[in-house]
Amino acid sequence: DAGVIQSPRHEVTEMGQEVTLRCKPISGHNSLFWYRQTMMRGLELLIYFNNNVPIDDSGMPEDRFSAKMPNASFSTLKIQPSEPRDSAVYFCASSLTRWETQYFGPGTRLLVL
Amino acid sequence: AQKVTQAQTEISVVEKEDVTLDCVYETRDTTYYLFWYKQPPSGELVFLIRRNSFDEQNEISGRYSWNFQKSTSSFNFTITASQVVDSAVYFCALSLGSSASKIIFGSGTRLSIRP
Repeated sequence: DAGVIQSPRHEVTEMGQEVTLRCKPISGHNSLFWYRQTMMRGLELLIYFNNNVPIDDSGMPEDRFSAKMPNASFSTLKIQPSEPRDSAVYFCASSLTRWETQYFGPGTRLLVL
Repeated sequence: AQKVTQAQTEISVVEKEDVTLDCVYETRDTTYYLFWYKQPPSGELVFLIRRNSFDEQNEISGRYSWNFQKSTSSFNFTITASQVVDSAVYFCALSLGSSASKIIFGSGTRLSIRP
């Protein structure tokens, strides 16, 4: 079975540009999570969805960040406008239910110049 | 408040040595889950194990073993006969029964296995 798929794997952009990260969860998984990993803050949960509905977005840094899950097999995390401090690795994870183990995608390494 | 502490920032051992990665957690909840994830140099996060708070049995999987002790709030991870491929950052993590979706990660231990 395919694992969590993320695209792009690497993204380099300039400050002020819009960035869209994409995630396809494992088929049949009902919960999806977006994490950010930085040296300073480690791994932190940004938002998670259950059955395509956002449940907890308390980790989203600010209004520049938004996430959507239009259907069970696709989610996006958008940053508009991007800033250098947004540079990080962004992980998507999915789980069968919100109570089960989360399986992570390969991550998107974002660099904002 | 919930917290996971991995006091060992970096460990370096010679191949074939045994190595133990420490993890101490804090929570007032009686129902919780503990995890270990591996992050190899390629960057992905690989799930290793999940344990719930009611199961204190130690677990062994090949060269990997986990020691869960509620009395000391620890969930330590031992690699026996380490190999170069074990080199990675290892994260211990905690989630609560009341909000199992939210995983709190430790800061990670970077393990280097020297040939």
